[in-house]
Amino acid sequence: KNEVEQSPQNLTAQEGEFITINCSYSVGISALHWLQQHPGGGIVSLFMLSSGKKKHGRLIATINIQEKHSSLHITASHPRDSAVYICAGARSQGNLIFGKGTKLSVKP
Amino acid sequence: DSGVTQTPKHLITATGQRVTLRCSPRSGDLSVYWYQQSLDQGLQFLIQYYNGEERAKGNILERFSAQQFPDLHSELNLSSLELGDSALYFCASSVGLTRQETQYFGPGTRLLVL
Repeated sequence: KNEVEQSPQNLTAQEGEFITINCSYSVGISALHWLQQHPGGGIVSLFMLSSGKKKHGRLIATINIQEKHSSLHITASHPRDSAVYICAGARSQGNLIFGKGTKLSVKP
Repeated sequence: DSGVTQTPKHLITATGQRVTLRCSPRSGDLSVYWYQQSLDQGLQFLIQYYNGEERAKGNILERFSAQQFPDLHSELNLSSLELGDSALYFCASSVGLTRQETQYFGPGTRLLVL
């Protein structure tokens, strides 16, 4: 079993739809990162969470420490949101353990 | 722009060769992480340095080595290259050592071993 698992692997949405990507993680991980990787390959850090909820624009990330689960929501999705979204758990020294990513495609 | 720079952007080389990838962290960041992204393994952690010292090691092969210099830039050395080493290599930096810090990723070095 992978230490960080996310779902779904692929997601196609229509512009304007509300999107949710889920991530479950194992013991030993107490901070969760959400990353975005565009087709060109670059990785951007979206959120780092250790508790509660964070919001940035149309993106919302939540974490439930007891259930070891995090979600990334995108409201009013747009074609420019099309990317791979990666959930990563942080170890004690900060190094990351990555999920396999969710490839999101938003159609106009 | 994350403030993390990596050179070169692309590298094509042959099996058996040795290459050096370079990373300059954001100004003020003391931690540097190296990650490898391949088609079959996805993203995985290789090694971490903090203020010149190795702090954590992941799935780094013995043929690979790294160091962080006094000016805080880091180099990842890959030797006796094999076809399977073809991947995108990222470095990331953060201010310190705690797990609750944002990591800023460089643009990556795309390595192709022929």
